[in-house]
Amino acid sequence: DTAVSQTPKYLVTQMGNDKSIKCEQNLGHDTMYWYKQDSKKFLKIMFSYNNKELIINETVPNRFSPKSPDKAHLNLHINSLELGDSAVYFCASSQDAETTAGNTIYFGEGSWLTVV
Amino acid sequence: AQSVTQPDIHITVSEGASLELRCNYSYGATPYLFWYVQSPGQGLQLLLKYFSGDTLVQGIKGFEAEFKRSQSSFNLRKPSVHWSDAAEYFCAVGARRYSSASKIIFGSGTRLSIRP
Repeated sequence: DTAVSQTPKYLVTQMGNDKSIKCEQNLGHDTMYWYKQDSKKFLKIMFSYNNKELIINETVPNRFSPKSPDKAHLNLHINSLELGDSAVYFCASSQDAETTAGNTIYFGEGSWLTVV
Repeated sequence: AQSVTQPDIHITVSEGASLELRCNYSYGATPYLFWYVQSPGQGLQLLLKYFSGDTLVQGIKGFEAEFKRSQSSFNLRKPSVHWSDAAEYFCAVGARRYSSASKIIFGSGTRLSIRP
């Protein structure tokens, strides 16, 4: 079974549309993340949730809204998509929020979003 | 704030040759250091990590890395590369940002190509 799974893997949509990416982890982790990887492979954290509570919210347009219905799920909703939103979005999870020994981040396989 | 630099954007080595990927970090305290690998079209997989103790850490797939505090480096090495090692490699540094949250910063990545 995939530890961190996200859907869809590929998404092509028009500017102005609203879309969601879903993420689920079956590792029993308390913390989940969304990362954005741009065309130059630069990977940057967007959000982090710990037990459904938002703990990291980087400078991200408010068109991006994460939602965590429970600690195993963290969905990303994007309103009014723009061309610059085209990227790969990675969901990830870790045992807890603190960088303690053994706290590895596990990544999903990514969702390739293309805005046309 | 912590930062990570991977000075080599792209490296090509011959199959069977040794490999060293460079990583330099900037952080005011003891860092938590990671190396991740991303195969084409895939998510990131942890190769190895350093939290404390022995400065030479062993990872999966025959990789190792050495933490050198005096040089602020955490270079990744492999004595003999295989064609399947062709991928993007990311160095990352973890830091405690909030009292109950951590943040991991990724370098810009080094793309490894293998020459037959």
